[in-house]
Amino acid sequence: DAGVIQSPRHEVTEMGQEVTLRCKPISGHDYLFWYRQTMMRGLELLIYFNNNVPIDDSGMPEDRFSAKMPNASFSTLKIQPSEPRDSAVYFCASSPTGTSASYEQYFGPGTRLTVT
Amino acid sequence: AQTVTQSQPEMSVQEAETVTLSCTYDTSESDYYLFWYKQPPSRQMILVIRQEAYKQQNATENRFSVNFQKAAKSFSLKISDSQLGDAAMYFCAYLGPGYALNFGKGTSLLVTP
Repeated sequence: DAGVIQSPRHEVTEMGQEVTLRCKPISGHDYLFWYRQTMMRGLELLIYFNNNVPIDDSGMPEDRFSAKMPNASFSTLKIQPSEPRDSAVYFCASSPTGTSASYEQYFGPGTRLTVT
Repeated sequence: AQTVTQSQPEMSVQEAETVTLSCTYDTSESDYYLFWYKQPPSRQMILVIRQEAYKQQNATENRFSVNFQKAAKSFSLKISDSQLGDAAMYFCAYLGPGYALNFGKGTSLLVTP
């Protein structure tokens, strides 16, 4: 398996522009997570899905952020409009159905977003 | 909310030596999972080791082992025979019933020849 795939790996955009980050989870995994990593706040959960349904979006910073999962193999995280404080590394992770043997989350390589 | 504390922002170890990274957490749950993740400069998050709270036996993965003290809510990582490739940020993480990982702030490990 190719693992969790994220695109783009790097994104540089100007303040006010729309940014879309993409994620393809590992096939067969039915949990998908979006995390954000910054120096100030560390790694924090933004939102997660189970079977394509958003379960907890309490970590989404504000209305400028939105996430969708139209099918089991694709998710997007959109920021509109973007601001310099959104600059961070955004990780997508996936996990199989919670069993005693798992609960492991497999991370993608991350997208480094820079908003100027 | 559960909190995870890593009190050592930076640690240093000589090649072939042993180092222990500390982690404490706060929870009212009895059933949960704990993890150590490694993040090298490539920024890829790599799972190092996992511990189920209901298991008394400490987890071990080759040169990596944990000291899990449930009553003290402590979960330290021991790296034996340290190698240059072990240099990275190490994150302790807690997983409770909600399926979301709570991470500590991380410990930067430097390995010197």
